Amino acid sequence: DTAVSQTPKYLVTQMGNDKSIKCEQNLGHDTMYWYKQDSKKFLKIMFSYNNKELIINETVPNRFSPKSPDKAHLNLHINSLELGDSAVYFCASSPTVTNYGYTFGSGTRLTVV
Amino acid sequence: QKEVEQNSGPLSVPEGAIASLNCTYSDRGSQSFFWYRQYSGKSPELIMFIYSNGDKEDGRFTAQLNKASQYVSLLIRDSQPSDSATYLCAVSAGNNRKLIWGLGTSLAVNP
Repeated sequence: DTAVSQTPKYLVTQMGNDKSIKCEQNLGHDTMYWYKQDSKKFLKIMFSYNNKELIINETVPNRFSPKSPDKAHLNLHINSLELGDSAVYFCASSPTVTNYGYTFGSGTRLTVV
Repeated sequence: QKEVEQNSGPLSVPEGAIASLNCTYSDRGSQSFFWYRQYSGKSPELIMFIYSNGDKEDGRFTAQLNKASQYVSLLIRDSQPSDSATYLCAVSAGNNRKLIWGLGTSLAVNP
């Protein structure tokens, strides 16, 4: 069983489109995250939810909107995609908000053309 | 100013040697320190964490922490070609409930 699963694995889309990435964890963790890894491999946190509550919202354009319907799911919707949004997006979870032993999903490679 | 710094490498070691990966951090309030391994095209995976000054050993891996010098390292003994990956150092950011990540060190273990 996959612990943290995210879909889709690859996403190629045109500028201006709206797309969503879904994430689910079956570990019973309280906290979930969205990270962006750019071409230089730098991991940058975007959002964090603890038990469905938003606790970290980094400087991310308003075009990015996370949603957590329950503590096992965290989705990311992106409006009006731009070329600079091309990156790998990782979902991750951790047991609690102060336990940083993350389990990452396999990533979604987003390419905006 | 970078908050977590790592030498990007690549660090090249022969099979069977000890690989030494280093990381420095700027926040003296940091309490938790992590090493993640990321194979090319894959997601990061946790390999070690350390909270107290000194050494912590797990199999072929040893994490070393020196809070006075704001320095954390990872030693890999008997390096194997399968250890070839990027090693990411991550440090907890005080009360900000998040990790601060280094850019990673690329390790190549040559057969």
